[in-house]
Amino acid sequence: AQSVTQPDIHITVSEGASLELRCNYSYGATPYLFWYVQSPGQGLQLLLKYFSGDTLVQGIKGFEAEFKRSQSSFNLRKPSVHWSDAAEYFCAVGARGNNNDMRFGAGTRLTVKP
Amino acid sequence: DAGVTQSPTHLIKTRGQQVTLRCSPKSGHDTVSWYQQALGQGPQFIFQYYEEEERQRGNFPDRFSGHQFPNYSSELNVNALLLGDSALYLCASSLQGAEGYTFGSGTRLTVV
Repeated sequence: AQSVTQPDIHITVSEGASLELRCNYSYGATPYLFWYVQSPGQGLQLLLKYFSGDTLVQGIKGFEAEFKRSQSSFNLRKPSVHWSDAAEYFCAVGARGNNNDMRFGAGTRLTVKP
Repeated sequence: DAGVTQSPTHLIKTRGQQVTLRCSPKSGHDTVSWYQQALGQGPQFIFQYYEEEERQRGNFPDRFSGHQFPNYSSELNVNALLLGDSALYLCASSLQGAEGYTFGSGTRLTVV
C-alpha cells in the first residue's frame, strides 16, 4: 500500500520568509498527491492536488507544490508566509483508480513568528 | 451548496459505551469515507462506503462499523469504547470514479 512521510514535525518561520514543507511518498506507480491544511479544531482544507501533467501545481492561498518522480517527493512551497498560514499541514497520497484509499502523513506543524 | 456536514461536533462517552457519528455528504457525492485522527497524528483511514456497502477497510477492529443510507448519508458506529478511541473523526465525501475528497469539520469524541 502507499505511504507518506513528512520528515519535519514542526517548522518555525518568520512572517514574510519563504517556506518549504517536505513530503516523500511510497507507491508503485504514479500516485495522486494532495496537500491539506488544518487549523486547530477544524477539518481538512485542500490546498492543491496533483493527478497528471505539469509537475508544478498551483494551489490556493499562494501555495505551490512540485512533483518530482525521481525523488518520490511532493514538497509544498510558499514564497512569503503570512501569520494566518500557521496551521498543521498534511501531505496525502491516493492510489490511482481507487480514490478511496488515501493515506496521510503525520503532518507538519507550522509556526509563524512576527 | 452545503459541503460535508457531521454531527455531533463534540461528544463525551464513557469507556465501554457505544457511539454513533453521522455524516451527510456534499451534494452530488455518492461515496463516504471515514478517518480517525488522534491528537498530533495524521488521519487514519477507517473504511469507505459506496452503494450502501463497505468497499475498503483500513486497519481497524470490528468494533468499528458503519452504514450508508440510500440518500448517501453515512453513520460510523463504535462499540465497547476504549480510552484510545478518543480522537477527531473525519468524514470525507467524493464521487466514485472522480478524484479528491471534501472533508467535514469532524466530530471530536472523548472517551472517559
